[in-house]
Amino acid sequence: EPEVTQTPSHQVTQMGQEVILRCVPISNHLYFYWYRQILGQKVEFLVSFYNNEISEKSEIFDDQFSVERPDGSNFTLKIRSTKLEDSAMYFCASRKGSVQETQYFGPGTRLLVL
Amino acid sequence: AQSVTQLGSHVSVSEGALVLLRCNYSSSVPPYLFWYVQYPNQGLQLLLKYTTGATLVKGINGFEAEFKKSETSFHLTKPSAHMSDAAEYFCAVSEGYGQNFVFGPGTRLSVLP
Repeated sequence: EPEVTQTPSHQVTQMGQEVILRCVPISNHLYFYWYRQILGQKVEFLVSFYNNEISEKSEIFDDQFSVERPDGSNFTLKIRSTKLEDSAMYFCASRKGSVQETQYFGPGTRLLVL
Repeated sequence: AQSVTQLGSHVSVSEGALVLLRCNYSSSVPPYLFWYVQYPNQGLQLLLKYTTGATLVKGINGFEAEFKKSETSFHLTKPSAHMSDAAEYFCAVSEGYGQNFVFGPGTRLSVLP
């Protein structure tokens, strides 16, 4: 069964460094999402992406964040200058696009900012 | 704006007992509703969803949920808990086609032997 994959599974970085989290959505899906989950808290929406542009973003998704679909298969989340509070599990999700379809989540990347 | 509440951050049941995890939502349009399960150190797995049609939906692992519009609820049930059901359960609402999810705070289910 097709699944969403994410790399790396874990990332440790220093505060102020740039990180890129990678996702490979399910191949025939059209909508792509990033969510994050701070340890012990609920899953929060960051951004949705469709037709090569951001369709919706939350207040969390400020200028330090960007997304890109560079090659038709990968979907990346870049954090330009990481802060301690960016430490979280980041989930990518994709959706086929038909009305009845749901989002399928990847296993997540655990980011730790020191 | 959409929102989701889950009554009880932690629920404990005995093995073989009924599981009931509560979810209430608010939405300005007919919602799409979902339950996801998260096992320790893993991602989110879809249990079941309601989009349209029959209000009682069955999912994986013996779980089911009923959409009750009058109560704005989508409670998750399972007749008989198994040890392997111990996990975090998240209710989520979407206002439809292509829209992002809003997740509830989650309920941690413990199953006691």
